[in-house]
Amino acid sequence: NAGVTQTPKFQVLKTGQSMTLQCAQDMNHEYMSWYRQDPGMGLRLIHYSVGAGITDQGEVPNGYNVSRSTTEDFPLRLLSAAPSQTSVYFCASSYSIPGTETPYEQYFGPGTRLTVT
Amino acid sequence: EDQVTQSPEALRLQEGESSSLNCSYTVSGLRGLFWYRQDPGKGPEFLFTLYSAGEEKEKERLKATLTKKESFLHITAPKPEDSATYLCAVRGGSQGNLIFGKGTKLSVKP
Repeated sequence: NAGVTQTPKFQVLKTGQSMTLQCAQDMNHEYMSWYRQDPGMGLRLIHYSVGAGITDQGEVPNGYNVSRSTTEDFPLRLLSAAPSQTSVYFCASSYSIPGTETPYEQYFGPGTRLTVT
Repeated sequence: EDQVTQSPEALRLQEGESSSLNCSYTVSGLRGLFWYRQDPGKGPEFLFTLYSAGEEKEKERLKATLTKKESFLHITAPKPEDSATYLCAVRGGSQGNLIFGKGTKLSVKP
């Protein structure tokens, strides 16, 4: 099992550019999520998905878009990059508690370090 | 509002010097408290889940405990390889998403 994989590892964008951060998992997890991690702050949830075709907003969704067409993949799109989106982005996945959409413990990818100039 | 506060922000220990990290939380209806370890430049690595007050879990030199208002991560006789940032999170809200604290950065000197 590769677990949760993320590409790219590093990216530099200019203000206004768009890009997609890729996330894939091979554990057949229903639940997937995107977080950003900034210095002095905890991990903050951007968007999450409880299964293919279902997504919802987290704490800080503005400026980001997601879709979930397969169980394995959960890409995060930056529509028009801004310096405030400079951060480290983590994707995570987990099984859901049977009969609910509540996730068990989440497993994280290695992260993408994004700089917007 | 659901909230997680970790203390101290940073902790420096000598090898073999036992100590504890604190995670206090306010959440409506706790549905799990999670501890993670994060090494520099890497993603968080899952350590423990605790569900109810009085529960304890152990792994090597680490033991996590839970009360109704806080959790402790006890580190017994730490080694330099235990140096990392330790994150605490609670599951709250109607969707059960994780709410993270800011972490405690632990440094263990030989």
